[in-house]
Amino acid sequence: RKEVEQDPGPFNVPEGATVAFNCTYSNSASQSFFWYRQDCRKEPKLLMSVYSSGNEDGRFTAQLNRASQYISLLIRDSKLSDSATYLCAVTFSGNTGKLIFGQGTTLQVKP
Amino acid sequence: DAGITQSPRYKITETGRQVTLMCHQTWSHSYMFWYRQDLGHGLRLIYYSAAADITDKGEVPDGYVVSRSKTENFPLTLESATRSQTSVYFCASRSGAIYEQYFGPGTRLTVT
Repeated sequence: RKEVEQDPGPFNVPEGATVAFNCTYSNSASQSFFWYRQDCRKEPKLLMSVYSSGNEDGRFTAQLNRASQYISLLIRDSKLSDSATYLCAVTFSGNTGKLIFGQGTTLQVKP
Repeated sequence: DAGITQSPRYKITETGRQVTLMCHQTWSHSYMFWYRQDLGHGLRLIYYSAAADITDKGEVPDGYVVSRSKTENFPLTLESATRSQTSVYFCASRSGAIYEQYFGPGTRLTVT
């Protein structure tokens, strides 16, 4: 089983739709959680950190469920410019803060 | 404020040649990382460094060498390039206090 898993998609949604991605992790000692966005094999860019209480940044909401060992990303009112690959990343206790990445979920927002 | 840069951005080399990929950051981040990204494998950690003169292996270190004589630079050397090392290579850095990593623009390497 992979340490961090994501549904690769693609998720094809119309503009204005709400879409959610999940990311599961296997190590219950996981400490920190992040969502990155990657466009067309460019560098991953930090979208948001995921806090225990959940956090929101505009149309984006991130949640953490420690009991079920997953994090989620919700995108409301999807824009064409949201089309990208979304990578989740997790650090585990004692691994010096190395990020373990999921393989990414591809989102295509259609007009 | 350049942040984190990589050079070259594109490189074509032949099997068996030595090639060095450069990574430079201006944030004085203590941690630096090298990843490769391939279809079907996602981002995989090659090597990382917690500080100058401190390096450690990641998930896929074979065939690679790193050094870190200065905090701002973290070169990655392929000692004898193989076709399986054709990939996109990303450098990243972070401060010691937080785990958020910031990535360079990448180097697309082709080994023929």
